[in-house]
Amino acid sequence: DGGITQSPKYLFRKEGQNVTLSCEQNLNHDAMYWYRQDPGQGLRLIYYSQIVNDFQKGDIAEGYSVSREKKESFPLTVTSAQKNPTAFYLCASNNMNTEAFFGQGTRLTVV
Amino acid sequence: AQSVTQLGSHVSVSEGALVLLRCNYSSSVPPYLFWYVQYPNQGLQLLLKYTTGATLVKGINGFEAEFKKSETSFHLTKPSAHMSDAAEYFCAVSDHRDMRFGAGTRLTVKP
Repeated sequence: DGGITQSPKYLFRKEGQNVTLSCEQNLNHDAMYWYRQDPGQGLRLIYYSQIVNDFQKGDIAEGYSVSREKKESFPLTVTSAQKNPTAFYLCASNNMNTEAFFGQGTRLTVV
Repeated sequence: AQSVTQLGSHVSVSEGALVLLRCNYSSSVPPYLFWYVQYPNQGLQLLLKYTTGATLVKGINGFEAEFKKSETSFHLTKPSAHMSDAAEYFCAVSDHRDMRFGAGTRLTVKP
């Protein structure tokens, strides 16, 4: 079945650590997105990529990094520069002008 | 830049009553508009979308929305609420480059 897979479902990070969230899709979508969800703030765009080897910052890119080496994969690294990383992270993909398909999310907690 | 405003972070209705969730958008190009639903600790599922053509669009689970360009609105309605409709609802706009979401509206359905 086609879909978009995020892993892990839960992730714990110590202060000062970098962590990487995985996002893989087999829908042959060109575009992929990362959103951060906090209570009462909806989904805020972190980074997006329309094609392989190219990506753009969204509204809250500081403290995050991404890569798009393959069409199917768009991993997100939460760096130690992100001072408040505890949140629910959602990955999505689509082709231009079509609806986005979402993964099940990764809940990141700083311990 | 495009944006979405959802009026009302919480909406409560009685079972069987009309559901109305409000969404206004801004976009510099003709927008593509979407409504998504999210259940706790899950990703987002598409309810319905407007791309071109008929301004009244029907979605899953009895929901529909009307695109009103003059009002820059895309309100979501359902004639009769069901207990299973309790969830968080997000309106989104795409300007063919990225996709932005509103802050969400949490719908509560009272028996």
